Amino acid sequence: ILNVEQSPQSLHVQEGDSTNFTCSFPSSNFYALHWYRWETAKSPEALFVMTLNGDEKKKGRISATLNTKEGYSYLYIKGSQPEDSATYLCAPSGGTSYGKLTFGQGTILTVHP
Amino acid sequence: DSGVTQTPKHLITATGQRVTLRCSPRSGDLSVYWYQQSLDQGLQFLIHYYNGEERAKGNILERFSAQQFPDLHSELNLSSLELGDSALYFCASSVNSGGASETQYFGPGTRLLVL
Repeated sequence: ILNVEQSPQSLHVQEGDSTNFTCSFPSSNFYALHWYRWETAKSPEALFVMTLNGDEKKKGRISATLNTKEGYSYLYIKGSQPEDSATYLCAPSGGTSYGKLTFGQGTILTVHP
Repeated sequence: DSGVTQTPKHLITATGQRVTLRCSPRSGDLSVYWYQQSLDQGLQFLIHYYNGEERAKGNILERFSAQQFPDLHSELNLSSLELGDSALYFCASSVNSGGASETQYFGPGTRLLVL
């Protein structure tokens, strides 16, 4: 069973602030790390899939980095906007779990205008 | 809109009953996954089907079963329902056999309430 931890549990920022949060996972048996954004009353939306140590992905104002050796990934949002308010989920996959995603509890981001 | 469809959107039923949730994957996707989101738990993997065959199983109760049909749509059957089965059930799909780096696209979910 993969133990996935996300911190902080929730975050309140002002519009325009930059923010970041962490996903920690066991580094053994790792193959890929998925990030999702889940807005209220919608379904989880895929942001990134990362596989290589040191990998960095970017989508607009959102970027993510990956450290597979120490088992963590950071998600950054630059210049947060109210529409960024959502729960951000990470899910490692790999090894015997193959395509099964083991989700963390998520970080709830609220961006205040 | 991910292209994954789920029906019904909401379902209210009584304890002891049986329900069927339906999922149609994105056009061309061969894999279907089922996840459960209950109040006190995160998003939990239930089961994965690839091209009609069961590929992986999570902590799925024996009262629950699933199948994927030749047209690739999938159904999740929940029987002898208990209050604790009340949850949001998501279906996701991916292009191929579910490799670890394959993106899963989530449907809108079915909200089940067991009274």
